[in-house]
Amino acid sequence: GAVVSQHPSWVICKSGTSVKIECRSLDFQATTMFWYRQFPKQSLMLMATSNEGSKATYEQGVEKDKFLINHASLTLSTLTVTSAHPEDSSFYICSAYGLAGLWDEQFFGPGTRLTVL
Amino acid sequence: GQQVMQIPQYQHVQEGEDFTTYCNSSTTLSNIQWYKQRPGGHPVFLIQLVKSGEVKKQKRLTFQFGEAKKNSSLHITATQTTDVGTYFCAGQRNQGGKLIFGQGTELSVKP
Repeated sequence: GAVVSQHPSWVICKSGTSVKIECRSLDFQATTMFWYRQFPKQSLMLMATSNEGSKATYEQGVEKDKFLINHASLTLSTLTVTSAHPEDSSFYICSAYGLAGLWDEQFFGPGTRLTVL
Repeated sequence: GQQVMQIPQYQHVQEGEDFTTYCNSSTTLSNIQWYKQRPGGHPVFLIQLVKSGEVKKQKRLTFQFGEAKKNSSLHITATQTTDVGTYFCAGQRNQGGKLIFGQGTELSVKP
């Protein structure tokens, strides 16, 4: 199956700093990428949908100025958590959607665990 | 907005017992997908169901999609300790659209 990578896999930062997370589709072109957040023992919550070359669409309750998304190419999307605070500590997962194989499918990255001290 | 409800939240079984988790959507879906997430890991795609009334099997796992394309179930026969994890359903209203995840069912298996 198609491969989606995320970098870094985990990050620890101080409160007030910004953290950038990369999501790459390694062997296919992703027309759309999705960013999710998952708190411990909870489900995945969609944060935003990004299409290459256009502004991301944020879900209700997600601050677009705090979670900056850039989808610069068909294989790369980045999520920047600006001025991170302890309550932003979470597991951030991206998925990439594109034609890979016989049908369109979403492929998930391995996730990035963010801890804000 | 669109919601996908999943029950039960937790299920503890003895190894060898069967397990079922159920999902119900507030709206008709284009398709439903199932994922498994091991503790500390990320969701891993299991299967996608597209057709009304569809039933698919993967070894001991049986997936069903309701006739109205609003509900789905995952049944595991004779659970094993390797089945431990959280099982999520996720529905799409249109192919390529956003996935709405259910709350997940955490399965623990006692050897």
